[in-house]
Amino acid sequence: SQQGEEDPQALSIQEGENATMNCSYKTSINNLQWYRQNSGRGLVHLILIRSNEREKHSGRLRVTLDTSKKSSSLLITASRAADTASYFCATVNTGGFKTIFGAGTRLFVKA
Amino acid sequence: NAGVTQTPKFQVLKTGQSMTLQCAQDMNHNSMYWYRQDPGMGLRLIYYSASEGTTDKGEVPNGYNVSRLNKREFSLRLESAAPSQTSVYFCASSEDGSGANVLTFGAGSRLTVL
Repeated sequence: SQQGEEDPQALSIQEGENATMNCSYKTSINNLQWYRQNSGRGLVHLILIRSNEREKHSGRLRVTLDTSKKSSSLLITASRAADTASYFCATVNTGGFKTIFGAGTRLFVKA
Repeated sequence: NAGVTQTPKFQVLKTGQSMTLQCAQDMNHNSMYWYRQDPGMGLRLIYYSASEGTTDKGEVPNGYNVSRLNKREFSLRLESAAPSQTSVYFCASSEDGSGANVLTFGAGSRLTVL
């Protein structure tokens, strides 16, 4: 079974608005990562947050992690049409070798 | 700057046929992975190789075999393809599976089994 579950499944916003995606997971983790997938392409790593961190920033991306609730959120600020893609959270188990993905959130940013 | 290269990009098989998906990485990564992606399911781990000479089952290994040929190459074999194996297959690699385990993905191989 998959580790992460994402919410919402799909999100449609206007350019310039912020987009928030949430991820929940089930077991102890070493770290949690977010990936992006453009249509018909492979996944690209965006950001990683370790289990002892609560918040991480990278450009227009902000990730939070709440290990007590086993949840994470990805915020994309000032979204652009080019941000249209699917976004996946992925958890790395405490052993370190298995990266398990959620089902993803499809983001559509209207110009 | 090739990163992770998968072949073939597209393949159509008949039920019962066999085939091998090839994957090679040029980043000197230790760990390699095979995932399948189905609509609405995200990516599911089929097999992984933490280091050269080792392979382990992931979430959905049934119907597949793998070979870590050397540090660069990790192949996925379907011995007797079934329609349920129609999917997009992604190979990935990571420098250090026991640490952060950030994955670099190939472009994917779309397999249709009739």
